Amino acid sequence: DTAVSQTPKYLVTQMGNDKSIKCEQNLGHDTMYWYKQDSKKFLKIMFSYNNKELIINETVPNRFSPKSPDKAHLNLHINSLELGDSAVYFCASSQGWQRNNYGYTFGSGTRLTVV
Amino acid sequence: GIQVEQSPPDLILQEGANSTLRCNFSDSVNNLQWFHQNPWGQLINLFYIPSGTKQNGRLSATTVATERYSLLYISSSQTTDSGVYFCAVTTSGTYKYIFGTGTRLKVLA
Repeated sequence: DTAVSQTPKYLVTQMGNDKSIKCEQNLGHDTMYWYKQDSKKFLKIMFSYNNKELIINETVPNRFSPKSPDKAHLNLHINSLELGDSAVYFCASSQGWQRNNYGYTFGSGTRLTVV
Repeated sequence: GIQVEQSPPDLILQEGANSTLRCNFSDSVNNLQWFHQNPWGQLINLFYIPSGTKQNGRLSATTVATERYSLLYISSSQTTDSGVYFCAVTTSGTYKYIFGTGTRLKVLA
């Protein structure tokens, strides 16, 4: 069974469209994250939810909106897609988010290409 | 904010060789992890190691938190070890993992 699963794996879309990426974890973790990996492989956190509550919201355009219907799911909706949004988006989860959180488990990533 | 630098940035090894990857961080950390991103893009958790030494097969890691560095040792490297190795840390009060710059490893058969 996949621990952290993201869908879709690949997403190609035109500029201006709205798209969503879904993430689900079956590890029983209470904290979930979205990271963006750019073309130079640099990984940067975007958002984090703990028990459905937003706890981290980095400097991300407000076209990006996370939604957590329950602690096992964290979705990412992107409005008015731009060329610069092309990247690989990773979902991750952990048990706890403060000191000694025992580390992340990552999903397999969603490669978003905006044309 | 904290700076996380990894060295070397690129490394090419012959199969069977040993290597040491280094992660330096500019501030005290609460958590530290090492990840391997394989050529298919998957991020694999190697070690959760905020301090001390751990070993898992051919891989081992040591973190000296007081001196602000961590080392990842790969022994008897195999072609499947190729990919990018990241260390990631959290600091007190932030609790979000900040990733290092990565070491790109290529192991030749």
